[in-house]
Amino acid sequence: GDSVTQMEGPVTLSEEAFLTINCTYTATGYPSLFWYVQYPGEGLQLLLKATKADDKGSNKGFEATYRKETTSFHLEKGSVQVSDSAVYFCALSPLNFVFGPGTRLSVLP
Amino acid sequence: KAGVTQTPRYLIKTRGQQVTLSCSPISGHRSVSWYQQTPGQGLQFLFEYFSETQRNKGNFPGRFSGRQFSNSRSEMNVSTLELGDSALYLCASSSLTGGDGNEQFFGPGTRLTVL
Repeated sequence: GDSVTQMEGPVTLSEEAFLTINCTYTATGYPSLFWYVQYPGEGLQLLLKATKADDKGSNKGFEATYRKETTSFHLEKGSVQVSDSAVYFCALSPLNFVFGPGTRLSVLP
Repeated sequence: KAGVTQTPRYLIKTRGQQVTLSCSPISGHRSVSWYQQTPGQGLQFLFEYFSETQRNKGNFPGRFSGRQFSNSRSEMNVSTLELGDSALYLCASSSLTGGDGNEQFFGPGTRLTVL
């Protein structure tokens, strides 16, 4: 079946460091891909999405490119802030959403 | 536009009891999906309702059920609660079906604790 694999962390970075969270997927067909973020005590918020191969999603300085050849959708940000501390979920949506296990990010001042 | 609301936010029950959780989607959204989130299993899809019909179902026992009303509000019910049902239950709504790249908007969740 469809599945998503992502680095589970936790990932700890200093403020202004470069962030990469790897995400790879297995799916039949051509799913849409998403990154969601969950701040403490809250539900999930959409961070960015890409609906077809080679699309780049971007939001709030975060970027991810839909790579069909490597079945990947890695999340990147050039300079993280303390306020980016959260759990990040990679997900795909062929029919219903399939989420990865989440990656906890802690950014230290 | 109001977001997805879930009630109650917190719930404590004992084993063997049943519980009903409620979700009100964003106005105009017809699709409502439910997820269970636990530290061990992560986010797991329970079911999706679209226009009062269950469209998809995850791999959960029959103790977990749901329904959707004509105003798109949805409820999920868990009968004969077990300790392992303790989790954060998240509801998400979208304007069309949950697939096809349509963004899902999540509520804050209901934290269920089974003692």
